[in-house]
Amino acid sequence: AQKVTQAQTEISVVEKEDVTLDCVYETRDTTYYLFWYKQPPSGELVFLIRRNSFDEQNEISGRYSWNFQKSTSSFNFTITASQVVDSAVYFCALRGGATNKLIFGTGTLLAVQP
Amino acid sequence: DVKVTQSSRYLVKRTGEKVFLECVQDMDHENMFWYRQDPGLGLRLIYFSYDVKMKEKGDIPEGYSVSREKKERFSLILESASTNQTSMYLCAALAGGPYNEQFFGPGTRLTVL
Repeated sequence: AQKVTQAQTEISVVEKEDVTLDCVYETRDTTYYLFWYKQPPSGELVFLIRRNSFDEQNEISGRYSWNFQKSTSSFNFTITASQVVDSAVYFCALRGGATNKLIFGTGTLLAVQP
Repeated sequence: DVKVTQSSRYLVKRTGEKVFLECVQDMDHENMFWYRQDPGLGLRLIYFSYDVKMKEKGDIPEGYSVSREKKERFSLILESASTNQTSMYLCAALAGGPYNEQFFGPGTRLTVL
């Protein structure tokens, strides 16, 4: 069975703090894909990043960075110098190689206080 | 980018009513999905479609049906709405294989009274 766990339900930080959102996944597939989505208060999910199971390179995009570790089945997301506009619900998701179905975690609500 | 639109942002219906939620994508994507989002449960897949007139059940299909008569349109139908179907409903479209990201619509917040 496939599963995604986001143990942090809510996180509150003050602007300019760094924050890491955790994502742990379970799958028996050798080929799989991991995603992060952002859901701002407007409601629409916005794609942030994808990773395939053969690419463990970490990625940095501006203030955002992602740490993919197969050894611990984790795909964590770090926001550096957080801003109020980062306030949103963040979802981690998993897709097995043989399906187009996405399995979502329960999401982490990030509140960045000014 | 793909544009996915949903017919309503907010909808209020009464128990027992038949409810149609419409989703339209502006690209020629084969795959379309309906999810519901509830606090603490994340997004759960209701139905998906990989081509016109083709559909597959997701994880929570009970109480729902779908229709895909044209490639760009995927409808979610609540045959007889119940209060436990009060939720946020999200539609998504996907082109190509599993490596690609799904594009989501803005969501429809449905309240069943």
